[in-house]
Amino acid sequence: GENVEQHPSTLSVQEGDSAVIKCTYSDSASNYFPWYKQELGKRPQLIIDIRSNVGEKKDQRIAVTLNKTAKHFSLHITETQPEDSAVYFCAAPSKGAGTALIFGKGTTLSVSS
Amino acid sequence: GAVVSQHPSWVICKSGTSVKIECRSLDFQATTMFWYRQFPKQSLMLMATSNEGSKATYEQGVEKDKFLINHASLTLSTLTVTSAHPEDSSFYICSAQPGQLNTEAFFGQGTRLTVV
Repeated sequence: GENVEQHPSTLSVQEGDSAVIKCTYSDSASNYFPWYKQELGKRPQLIIDIRSNVGEKKDQRIAVTLNKTAKHFSLHITETQPEDSAVYFCAAPSKGAGTALIFGKGTTLSVSS
Repeated sequence: GAVVSQHPSWVICKSGTSVKIECRSLDFQATTMFWYRQFPKQSLMLMATSNEGSKATYEQGVEKDKFLINHASLTLSTLTVTSAHPEDSSFYICSAQPGQLNTEAFFGQGTRLTVV
């Protein structure tokens, strides 16, 4: 099965700075990598995802990059705002298409104004 | 996007009693649903895969006799925590994915279980 490692566990930035969170995965057959944002007591919300046929995807201030050779993918948030403060999780399919997602341990992002 | 609804959002029960949590896909059919448990300040840990019309698949270390899963229809999966103990207190959350290929996983609102 898949194993996902995520770091850092906490990240503090000033408003306007960029934030980068990195994840590695173990199964070279994995082909889908989502990022979720979770606010306290609420359900995870998908913020961006990437499939293995592309190396980068961008949506406004958020981008994800994927390095299949090294088996790692990263979340990039530019021009951070206080409302970006939350816990971010990366994930990968446990055993292939249609299977459960295995989550990283999460990164608590704090953006101070 | 697709909607997954979970009920109840919170429950308090006494030790030794059982609690049932429902997970419904409101606008799509889900032959498979997933149950996770999340302790405070920790990640989502997969407990089991719920399969419509057949037995659930449990992750290593999860007691199938304690966490009963039933997936009787294409839109409903239930998780029953039997003989609950304080250490079962946690945030339980379900998810489902429309389609068979890797697509966005939609999560229920989660259920905060407190066993006293």
